[in-house]
Amino acid sequence: QVHLVQSGAEVKKPGASVNISCKASGYTFISYFMHWVRQAPGQRLEWLGYINAGNGNTRYSQKFQGRVSITRDTSASTAFMEVSSLTSEDTAVYYCARARGVATLDSWGQGTLVSVSS
Amino acid sequence: DIQMTQSPSSLSASVGDRVTITCRASQSITKYLNWYQQKPGRAPKLLIYAASSLESGVPSRFTGSGSGTDFTLTINNLQPEDFATYYCQHSATLPATFGQGTKVEIK
Repeated sequence: QVHLVQSGAEVKKPGASVNISCKASGYTFISYFMHWVRQAPGQRLEWLGYINAGNGNTRYSQKFQGRVSITRDTSASTAFMEVSSLTSEDTAVYYCARARGVATLDSWGQGTLVSVSS
Repeated sequence: DIQMTQSPSSLSASVGDRVTITCRASQSITKYLNWYQQKPGRAPKLLIYAASSLESGVPSRFTGSGSGTDFTLTINNLQPEDFATYYCQHSATLPATFGQGTKVEIK
């Protein structure tokens, strides 16, 4: 059974960075891409980027290019996402999700709430 | 980027009803369309992929149809556990954008 477990809620000040982890189990980690999606309060889901867990290649939404970095530790079957230069508009629940194909997200983490406030 | 537009934004229905939600893409995405269900405080759950394929473990009362730019999610015999928000998402290219969601509420 596929299981993605994310790190806990974070409270950050504007200008800070946040790092979220996503530990995978129940499947071969390096055989899939891991995507990151966020949901601001009352807003639609927004795609941030992905990492090819096998070779480490990444791709990011142009909107977040330069501010989002996705990495992975294959020995720990864990993906990480760092978001830098946070503003209040980055307050959202951030999800990791395993993908089939380009972006069919078949298993999701439980979400990590990131609150940005001075 | 491809824009995804759902309608309606919300609807009220009763247990046992048939519910239809539509999703329109700003350009052709052939059949690269997925549907997700999200309940409050929970992560989205994949229901339908490739426009009409039912994800494993999802009840058969959920059906998807369409191709090109226009797609439909139908829920037959609506059950109490189906009251949730539904999102379409294209997976034709990146960024893989989502619709704004359709909230299905109890009448």
